[in-house]
Formats: sequence, C-alpha cells, structure tokens
Amino acid sequence: AQKITQTQPGMFVQEKEAVTLDCTYDTSDPSYGLFWYKQPSSGEMIFLIYQGSYDQQNATEGRYSLNFQKARKSANLVISASQLGDSAMYFCAMREGRDRGAQKLVFGQGTRLTINP
Amino acid sequence: DTAVSQTPKYLVTQMGNDKSIKCEQNLGHDTMYWYKQDSKKFLKIMFSYNNKELIINETVPNRFSPKSPDKAHLNLHINSLELGDSAVYFCASSRSGTGKNIQYFGAGTRLSVL
Repeated sequence: AQKITQTQPGMFVQEKEAVTLDCTYDTSDPSYGLFWYKQPSSGEMIFLIYQGSYDQQNATEGRYSLNFQKARKSANLVISASQLGDSAMYFCAMREGRDRGAQKLVFGQGTRLTINP
Repeated sequence: DTAVSQTPKYLVTQMGNDKSIKCEQNLGHDTMYWYKQDSKKFLKIMFSYNNKELIINETVPNRFSPKSPDKAHLNLHINSLELGDSAVYFCASSRSGTGKNIQYFGAGTRLSVL
C-alpha cells in the first residue's frame, strides 16, 4: 500500500494566488514526521517544512504552512502569495517512528506546480 | 558554503563499467543517506549510515557498495553498470536525536549508462 499519496500530478496557479498541494499518508505508528521538499528544474532537493505527529500547532515557515489534519491523515502544503520561482516539483515525505538515528524517508509521487504570470 | 556536496554532478558511462560518486557534508551531521530518483521522479532510499555504521540497506543489488570513511563522507561505488542504473542519485545528511531528523540533500548526480 502507498504510504504517501499525492493525488495532483500537476497544478497551474496564477501568480500571487495561494495554492494547496495535497498529501495523505498511511501509518499505524503513533510517532512520525512529515516533510515537504521542493525540487526546481535545476534538480536539487530543498527542504521546506516539517510537522511532527505530536505537534499541536500547524507548522509555518515564511510563505509555507502545513495544514495538518491528523484524523484524516493529511498534511497539505499551503503556499501563500505564489511567485514565479515557486514553479517546481513538490514532494511530501514521511519518517515513521521516533527519531532514533538513521531513518528513511518515504516519498510521494510528487506534484508539478506551475505558476503563471 | 555548500552543506551537502556531491561529485560529479553528471556521469556518463558505458555498460559494464565501474564508477563512484562522492558525497561530503559540512553540517556536523552524524547520519548520511543515498537515495535514487528514477525517470518518473520517484525517490527511494538505498542506504543509510549512522556514525559510519550501515543501518539501512534497502534491497539494493550488491553491485552497489557504499563506504563511509568518516561521519562527514559517504561514497557510493557501482560495479558492472547496467542500463537500469541510469537515474539521479542523491546524497543526504541529518542529525539524529533532534526529534525532527531533517534530511538535507545534495544537488544530485545524474548517471547515464549507455
């Protein structure tokens, strides 16, 4: 079964609009971490935001926020006031279990976001 | 200052050759990883080392051999390259015990096997 599902292969948004990228996850472990990464056309993977399963508040980092709905097992990324430079692939990922050394991230399929001027 | 650096950025080689990819991090992290990104952009863990000890070996062919000479370096050697090895290989590092264990990635090495 897919552990991380991103149902939007591609999204097109007008500049300055807000955009929500969907991510649902599947785990039976009560302790886990959720991550979003950005991959621009240049290819590097850039960490954006982290949400822990026990965090009471939704994570925010500048224009990025994570809409964490634990009961629904969703961790959507919200980008406010989108910019042309936000055009990229976006990956949702999960670490299962508590932080105990080397732990793999399991990634979703990614969403390609295109910001139109 | 590049936090996680990989060399080379591009690698083009013939089937059957042996090649290495090097990775270094200057973040003071204790854990390093290799991930493979296929042509459909899907990322999957290959290996992970914590304090130079192999922790994760994710059913990768034994033609792939990671080596960690110290906590700041993790190299990947690939023997007898096959067409299916063509992919982008990412190195990453993290600091364990922080509660978050955020992984920071290098820029990737694009391997093309002809």
